[in-house]
Amino acid sequence: AQTVTQSQPEMSVQEAETVTLSCTYDTSENNYYLFWYKQPPSRQMILVIRQEAYKQQNATENRFSVNFQKAAKSFSLKISDSQLGDTAMYFCAFMNFNQFYFGTGTSLTVIP
Amino acid sequence: GAVVSQHPSRVICKSGTSVKIECRSLDFQATTMFWYRQFPKQSLMLMATSNEGSKATYEQGVEKDKFLINHASLTLSTLTVTSAHPEDSSFYICSAPGQGFENYGYTFGSGTRLTVV
Repeated sequence: AQTVTQSQPEMSVQEAETVTLSCTYDTSENNYYLFWYKQPPSRQMILVIRQEAYKQQNATENRFSVNFQKAAKSFSLKISDSQLGDTAMYFCAFMNFNQFYFGTGTSLTVIP
Repeated sequence: GAVVSQHPSRVICKSGTSVKIECRSLDFQATTMFWYRQFPKQSLMLMATSNEGSKATYEQGVEKDKFLINHASLTLSTLTVTSAHPEDSSFYICSAPGQGFENYGYTFGSGTRLTVV
């Protein structure tokens, strides 16, 4: 069975600073996808970034980037130049065979 | 991009009544819809997977007679909470694979907050 672990229940960062959210997963599969989703107070799930396991290059989306270490089964999210709008719950997710497995989430607060 | 419209966003119902939650894919065909339940400050827990034209697949521990799922068309999936009780109060979210994974990934509805009184 696939499991996703987020070991940081809560984090905070000063506005304009950089923060890294951790995620590890366990799987015996070789082909899969990894995601970070953001859930602001509105509860709408918003895709932040995704990574295909077969790609060695780390994904980047503007201020968001990941550090994907396949051998270590690690998938951390780095948020640069943090903004107040980044305050939200962040979920790491693993997907294969059309099924998602979510981590328990990290509550991120950006401090003005 | 792909949009999943979920209604209602909030519903309050009396104990013992049934509530229907709808999820529509607006600009793509969703042959599969995932239904999740989320308790406050917790992660999303997959309840069931609905497939157009076939019976839904329920996760272990989810009562299929209580949470009725119907995937009547390629654009509509519904979740009906039957004989609702206060312990069914929760946030329910649907999700569908977008059209062309490389372009859209998976799209989530905006969620339904159900309160049973």
